Amino acid sequence: DQQVKQNSPSLSVQEGRISILNCDYTNSMFDYFLWYKKYPAEGPTFLISISSIKDKNEDGRFTVFLNKSAKHLSLHIVPSQPGDSAVYFCAGGLIQGAQKLVFGQGTRLTINP
Amino acid sequence: EPEVTQTPSHQVTQMGQEVILRCVPISNHLYFYWYRQILGQKVEFLVSFYNNEISEKSEIFDDQFSVERPDGSNFTLKIRSTKLEDSAMYFCASSEGLGVYEQFFGPGTRLTVL
Repeated sequence: DQQVKQNSPSLSVQEGRISILNCDYTNSMFDYFLWYKKYPAEGPTFLISISSIKDKNEDGRFTVFLNKSAKHLSLHIVPSQPGDSAVYFCAGGLIQGAQKLVFGQGTRLTINP
Repeated sequence: EPEVTQTPSHQVTQMGQEVILRCVPISNHLYFYWYRQILGQKVEFLVSFYNNEISEKSEIFDDQFSVERPDGSNFTLKIRSTKLEDSAMYFCASSEGLGVYEQFFGPGTRLTVL
């Protein structure tokens, strides 16, 4: 039951360039999406969210785009910095009920100097 | 900055033993969660807790699992009789609720069942 999918297990980007992380979902009932960043041996750290009624949300270097017709969202990081190297997870959630999150498999982002 | 804390950071136990994983959520948060991540796999939802009762639980959360909020600050996950396949990172999370959806995660407890 893969409701949220991140098809790229890894991505390598040069420092200063744009990193684009992609996520697809099958459950059109999701009310919002979140991106988390995770370092080894740490818990996921919340980065940015987007409501399903919006198509873009921006916070500093991070921008999330949502294409509901394609059931696709992406996280853009610009400019990419070495400290951005981590595993990135997208997750979908529902307002009703317990607000549990459904996570994708994660994409390992490596920023090369 | 407020954060979710978890203890212990690493727990090693023998198969069949009981373990209790502890969490202190962010103090003004109303919703509490446990997730787990088996090595190399997705982060999976286990259970959510609100107003002193379970709101939702996944298929993983069978009779061997229980949660409790014994006082105003702690939130615990108990596994009564551990199995080898319970070995994973267990993450506690909390959220404000009431229209705020971001969940904040603790650093995790690595559970190793031998």
